[in-house]
Order: sequence, then C-alpha cells, then structure tokens
Amino acid sequence: AIQMTQFPSSLSASVGDRVTITCRASQDIRNQLGWYQQKPGKAPRLLVYGASTLESGVPSRFRGGGSGTDFTLIISSLHPDDLATYYCLQDYNFPWTFGQGTKLDFK
Amino acid sequence: QVPLQEPDPRLVKPSQTLSLTCSVSGGSVSGGGYYWSWIRQSAGQGPEWMGRISATGNSNYSPSLKSRVTISVDTSMNTFSLSLKSVTAADTAVYYCARDSPHGDSRSYDALDMWGQGTMVTVSS
Repeated sequence: AIQMTQFPSSLSASVGDRVTITCRASQDIRNQLGWYQQKPGKAPRLLVYGASTLESGVPSRFRGGGSGTDFTLIISSLHPDDLATYYCLQDYNFPWTFGQGTKLDFK
Repeated sequence: QVPLQEPDPRLVKPSQTLSLTCSVSGGSVSGGGYYWSWIRQSAGQGPEWMGRISATGNSNYSPSLKSRVTISVDTSMNTFSLSLKSVTAADTAVYYCARDSPHGDSRSYDALDMWGQGTMVTVSS
C-alpha cells in the first residue's frame, strides 16, 4: 500500500497566519490526492481534489498544490473556523490511504 | 434530511460479525457513477479506508481486511451495507459511510464528497 506521510503532525498558529501542511507519498501518485478537514466529533469534509482543485463551497483561502510525491495544503489567512485536523488521501492505487493527520490549533 | 444516514451506536461481542447499513436519501445509489464506501477511524487515529462498491456490484477492498469484509448494495432499498466478520477489540472505531464520486473534467479523480455522521462501534464482551 502507498504510505502517506504528513507533517507537521500538529501546528499552532494565530488568526490571520499563513499555514502550510505537507503530505508526501511513498511513490508517484501523479495528482491523485485529496485534502479533508475534520472537526472534533464530525465526519471529514472534502476540501480539495486532484491535488489542486477546490471543492464547491470551500473558501478560497484554501489552496492545494503539488504532484508526484510532494503535496501542500495552504491556508492563506487563518480563520477561527479552521480549527480542525487535516488529512490527505491518495486515490491513485487501492487501497486508498490517508495521511496520519495535522492537528491545527490556535496560539 | 441527512443525505447518508447511519445507524445508532453498536456493541458487538468479540468473534461476532458486525453489520452496518447506510441509507441514502436525496438521490439514488444507482445514479451518477458513484461508488459507496466505508471508512473507519479509531480513537486518536487517522481514517482507514475499508472498501467500496458500485451500484452494479463492482467492489474494491483493503487487503488488510479483505478476508473479513463484505460490502453490498441494495438498489431497491437505496442502501449499502458493511459486514465485518470475526471482530476483535482492534475493530473498535467510528465507522463512516461515504459517497465516492468522480470529479474533474475527465472524471478521473475519486473524492469522498458526502459522509454519514458516523457510528460508534465497540467490540467488547
């Protein structure tokens, strides 16, 4: 199975900060990658698919990038509502595999 | 109305079979080229993709679970189901059903764009 490694595992930031989360695949997955946001006690929510395309309704402060093995999710200006854990998910090969998550909290 | 409705929390004894059904409302399991997926998440861990099925019965499973898991679809009831045999404490988790739909201009990306609320399953005697 393809291993997805996310870093950092946790991150403290302030409202208005620019935040970058990285996901690295153990092999080339082209751009078959999605990003998901999960708030405590809730199901994950799709933010980005195809590595860089924002899902409908997702705020434009979120931006996905990368291809091959290295990917990023950038929040350009952190909003209070962004408190959550973020996961990447590869859909290149079965089994689909998630990263272990990046927990974002506020300073 | 919740698009994907999962059952109430479950308590299952070790070695028994876990069965969960997800009801799809506001659309048909047969439409849109969708796959219907199950994902689970143990406490404090990242999600784990378990498998998926299409309305026509095409399925894919995680190799780590393949010998124990079956996903089925009932187009007449507009539901899909998970069966996990021989459960142990390691199967204790929140189980989510989700819709896996093709995205992009060429529909070449799979994305989990609709999720149930999750069902807490506890395996204990």
